[in-house]
Formats: sequence, C-alpha cells, structure tokens
Amino acid sequence: GQQVKQSSPSLTVQEGGILILNCDYENDMFDYFAWYKKYPDNSPTLLISVRSNVDKREDGRFTVFLNKSGKHFSLHITASQPEDTAVYLCAAGASSSFSKLVFGQGTSLSVVP
Amino acid sequence: GPKVLQIPSHQIIDMGQMVTLNCDPVSNHLYFYWYKQILGQQMEFLVNFYNGKVMEKSKLFKDQFSVERPDGSYFTLKIQPTALEDSAVYFCASSFLGGVEQYFGPGTRLTVL
Repeated sequence: GQQVKQSSPSLTVQEGGILILNCDYENDMFDYFAWYKKYPDNSPTLLISVRSNVDKREDGRFTVFLNKSGKHFSLHITASQPEDTAVYLCAAGASSSFSKLVFGQGTSLSVVP
Repeated sequence: GPKVLQIPSHQIIDMGQMVTLNCDPVSNHLYFYWYKQILGQQMEFLVNFYNGKVMEKSKLFKDQFSVERPDGSYFTLKIQPTALEDSAVYFCASSFLGGVEQYFGPGTRLTVL
C-alpha cells in the first residue's frame, strides 16, 4: 500500500506567493517527517525535518507543520522564488525500523514570474 | 552541505550480466542505504547497512542483490544476474547516526536490455 501520499502531483504559484505542499501518511509508528527538494538528475536535498515531539519547525522561508492525529504534515514556503521550482518529496520514518524512509511520489512545483 | 557521490551516473547492460553500483558516502557517516526509483514511481527503500551488516531489507531486495563496504571504501550494490525489472534509478544515502537525516547521492540510472 501507499504509506505516504502527496495529493498534488504538480503545483504552480506566482513569484512572491505563499505555497503549501501536503503529505498524508498511514503508519502510526512514523515519528520523523522530512521534506526533500530535487532538481532533475540531481540528489534529493534535505530541506527541513521534524520529529513527532513537536508540531512545527521553521527554517527561514520554510516551515513544516505536523498534525499527528490527522496523520498529515505540510511544507509552507513563503516569498516563493523561481529557484524554488523543483520536485518536492515528503518522507517519513520510524526510529524503530533503523531509519528507512518512506517517500511520497513528489509534487512538481513551478514558480512563475 | 554534505555530499554523497555515485559512480557511474548511467549504466546500460544486457540482462543476465552482473552490475556493481558504487557509492561514496559522507566521510564520517556510519549508516548507509540504497533506494530504488522506477520511472514514474516513488523512491522505495531497498536496504540499510551498518557496522558491516545489513540491518533491514525490503521485499524489493531480491536474492540477486548484495551490498558491502569493504575497508571503508565505496558502499556497493551488486546485482547478479540482472533482470529487466531492475531497470531504475538507484539512490545511495548515508547518515551519521541511526537518526534519520539521510543525505542522498544523485543516483545511478541503470538500464537492463
């Protein structure tokens, strides 16, 4: 089954706007949640992550919100820029399982002028 | 940030041949991972490796697959023999602790003909 799901395969936002990427998960054992950014033919790069003992973490323009009861986490990006154009992958893991990550299918984001 | 390198970037081989994919992880990292991404699908965990041993593997990690890291050199994924369904991009990752901040390489695109 698809344990981690990103509902939007693609998203377009205007430069300067706020965007929200969403991710739903199924496994109650997940206690680590991350967002990766990926350019074509490049490495997925860790953007921001959060453990289950907090429900929010902010790093500059990026904020991750965690809703454990709803099994949902999201990435908010403010003041979006053309260089934010990339594929965004959400991932979740359980510290009980030697830290393998389960990935969503990705959301392709385009930031247009 | 920390860099994980993968060699080669592309590999084309005939079905039944052996292939070895090489990963140069971040120098002080202790945990190593392989993930597989078939075109159009999400990245999926194959195996993780710590202290010279496989800690966990998924059902995608067939008997024809093996991993090793001899003497702190490359972390390798060997497939012998290859099958058509092994065609995919293989991503290597490493992390310092069993904590889940994994850093990824750019992937090796394997095509089995």
